[in-house]
Formats: sequence, C-alpha cells, structure tokens
Amino acid sequence: QVQLQQSGPGLVKPSQTLSLTCAISGDSVSSNTAAWNWIRQSPSRGLEWLGRTYYRSKWYNDYAISVKSRITVNPDTSKNQFSLQLNSVTPEDTAVYYCARDGYAVSTFDYWGQGTLVTVSS
Amino acid sequence: QSALTQPRSVSGSPGQSVTLSCTGTSSDVGGYNYVTWYQQHPGKAPKLMIYDVSKRPSGVPDRFSGSKSGNTASLTISGLQADDEADYYCCSNAGRLPYVFGTGTKVTVL
Repeated sequence: QVQLQQSGPGLVKPSQTLSLTCAISGDSVSSNTAAWNWIRQSPSRGLEWLGRTYYRSKWYNDYAISVKSRITVNPDTSKNQFSLQLNSVTPEDTAVYYCARDGYAVSTFDYWGQGTLVTVSS
Repeated sequence: QSALTQPRSVSGSPGQSVTLSCTGTSSDVGGYNYVTWYQQHPGKAPKLMIYDVSKRPSGVPDRFSGSKSGNTASLTISGLQADDEADYYCCSNAGRLPYVFGTGTKVTVL
C-alpha cells in the first residue's frame, strides 16, 4: 500500500519561497513506472497540476506553463521523498497543495497526500 | 491550456442515475483515451474512480461508468446513493502539458 505524507509550513510571506515535502512509503521515488506530482486546489483556480519528477534511466521534470519560471520539483533518493519549491509567491498562490503518484495507468493519479493548506500572507 | 468544462452542479434522487459531462478539445479529451475521473468529499483528497476513459480501479463500485465521444467524456453514476454526494473532477492527458483538470461538478443527492 502506497502512502504519501506531506510536510511543510502552512503560512508563507509574499515574495518568499513555498517549500513542501512528500515522503513516500510503499514505493520508490526512483521507480521506473511512476511519476511524482504536485497539484494544488483553490476556489478560484480549481485543481491545477503544477509539476512532476520521474526516473526513466535518468531524472526528468515537467512543469506547468503557469508556474514554470518559479517552480522546482526535486527527488531525494536518500529519504525516498520529493519536494516542491515555489518562488516569489503572492496571495494568488494560496491553496491546498497535494502530492500525488501517477503510476496506476497513463496519466492516472492513484495515490494522494493528505493535502496542505498554504496561505500566502504577511 | 484551458481547464476542461464541466457543469457546475448535477442533482438526483436516491436510486436515480446522473451523467456528468467533461468537454475539452482535440488536444486533450478528443486526442487521447486517457481520461480519468476523481471523487472528492469535503476536506479530503481526490479519489480515483475511472481511468482510461472507462476502466474502474478495484474497489470502485460498478455503479460508476465512464465513456467518451469526440471531445466530451462522461461519467454516469447509477443507483445514486447518499455517499455519492461529492465533487467530481475529470482530467485528461494533454500531450506535453501533460495533465489538464476539469472545472468540477458538485453532485447533490436530493
């Protein structure tokens, strides 16, 4: 059974960096068949895919165009986890952030973290 | 890339069937057989209900079924039950994007 456990601060000041971590159990961040994603949800933007990292003989990353200049998703093989960094945040980045595995089938998020409400406010 | 279009709300009585639509373009829904549906109860993470347009993961009741015609995918819930009251989101592969979500539909059981 795969479990994803999120951690990170729930309050970030404007212009600073949002940082979250997703610890994986029951699978490996280095899996050749899974991709590890960050998704956020807000009343104004709905569900929005942000980015992913995955390993296919080497590491790859993909990012949503809307955040491409501000986002980094990194794997941490030593701790079997992956992280999200979103720079230069504004109040519009206030949302519930989820990590999720795409591994059951193509483009299918089968396991999700518990969600972290991140508020951007001074 | 714009979000896929879903009706804001759908309602039905217990035992009835409801069908939710998800309209995209030939670049997403119409171009790939990789449409998924998620159920989300308040305060919870989304739960996978349908993948590859019409396949159900183990544990999902066969009251839930999916289909697609052209640029529109559909989720039908038969024999509506109280616990089906939730928000439902579609999602499609969109090539290099690679995922685009729908706007979400609130299902109300009357």
